[in-house]
Amino acid sequence: GAGVSQSPSNKVTEKGKDVELRCDPISGHTALYWYRQSLGQGLEFLIYFQGNSAPDKSGLPSDRFSAERTGGSVSTLTIQRTQQEDSAVYLCASSPGEYGDTQYFGPGTRLTVL
Amino acid sequence: AQSVTQLGSHVSVSEGALVLLRCNYSSSVPPYLFWYVQYPNQGLQLLLKYTTGATLVKGINGFEAEFKKSETSFHLTKPSAHMSDAAEYFCASDTGRRALTFGSGTRLQVQP
Repeated sequence: GAGVSQSPSNKVTEKGKDVELRCDPISGHTALYWYRQSLGQGLEFLIYFQGNSAPDKSGLPSDRFSAERTGGSVSTLTIQRTQQEDSAVYLCASSPGEYGDTQYFGPGTRLTVL
Repeated sequence: AQSVTQLGSHVSVSEGALVLLRCNYSSSVPPYLFWYVQYPNQGLQLLLKYTTGATLVKGINGFEAEFKKSETSFHLTKPSAHMSDAAEYFCASDTGRRALTFGSGTRLQVQP
């Protein structure tokens, strides 16, 4: 079946602009995660959605970052007023939602802020 | 707070040699543990995971790992390296929060 898809695969933007990154999880997966992968910080958790529960936003690095998940499926990560330090690969993952379930990762969106 | 430490950011082995990638965890409760592999310009793919039960876990591509609670370790091994094993490997833990805590990764190089 189809895996996790992300779009765009690459995004180049200018400092100060807003960007939106999209994630389509595996159908039927109730849990959705966003992670960031950068040279200096490695792989960091950003935000976690589980069904209709309030998301766990504890990993968001600043209030310029936000995410939503519509209809329990597609998710959008928005970064406002981008900074150069936001340059990274943003990875989305989904899982059936139980503790210990495998998280399936998308290919990522590479964001470059000039 | 939980943490994951991977010893050695780069490991180089010869084709056919044993692969050993080290992972130690730190948490107040026994975690679930995972090994993921990342090939260039791709997302992460699960190699294997430990949740409960048998402490020796077998995964894809001939890899296995053993959960040792007394040593707080979850080292990844493969008896014989193949050129196609060259990639970056990440150890990760989950203590119930659902979000994974990752180690810093180990890049495996396989020499012909």
